[in-house]
Amino acid sequence: QVQLLESGGGVVQPGGSLRLSCAASGFTFSSFDMHWLRQTPDTRLEWVAFIHHDGSAEFYDPSVKGRFTISRDNSKDRLYLQMNSLRLDDTAVYFCAKDFGGQVRMVLPESWGRGTRVIVSP
Amino acid sequence: DILLTQSPGTLSLSPGERATLSCRASQSVGKFLAWSQQRPGQAPRLVIYDASKRATGIPTRFSGSGSGTDFTLTISGLEPEDFAVYYCHQRSSWPPLTFGGGTKIEMK
Repeated sequence: QVQLLESGGGVVQPGGSLRLSCAASGFTFSSFDMHWLRQTPDTRLEWVAFIHHDGSAEFYDPSVKGRFTISRDNSKDRLYLQMNSLRLDDTAVYFCAKDFGGQVRMVLPESWGRGTRVIVSP
Repeated sequence: DILLTQSPGTLSLSPGERATLSCRASQSVGKFLAWSQQRPGQAPRLVIYDASKRATGIPTRFSGSGSGTDFTLTISGLEPEDFAVYYCHQRSSWPPLTFGGGTKIEMK
């Protein structure tokens, strides 16, 4: 059974930094691409970033590109999101998600964690 | 970016009734449209992908249809656990992946 557990959220001032972590279990982590997504206070879902299974490529939403960095440690079954220069509109619940595809690249979030809350406030 | 518009915003239905949810894309996404369900206090989970394919473990009362710009999610015979928010999302043109604003199915 796929389990994803996010951590690292909290309250931070604008311009500050946070590092989110996602612990994965129940599947072969190194075989799957992974996503970060977020849900804003008005319940909109937004895709944030995507990383290939081997870490060889990363993709970002334009709103976070240059500020956020997705990475992974396949030896630890962990996914990360380094968030710098945080803005008020980054306030959201952040989810990690396993991609649907394995052998075939799908770019389709399938199984999501429960999320970690990030609040950016002066 | 591809804009996805869902309608209606809220559906008020009783258990056993049929739910029909709509998602319209601002440009063609081919068949690359998916639906995810979010129950209160829970994470989203994939229900339908590539317009009409049920994800693992999804009951047969869930079905999807459509292509291009117009898509429908149908739940035939609502069960209590189906009352939730449903989001459509596309992977045809990315980055970014984009999501609709959601349709809430509430109990009448």
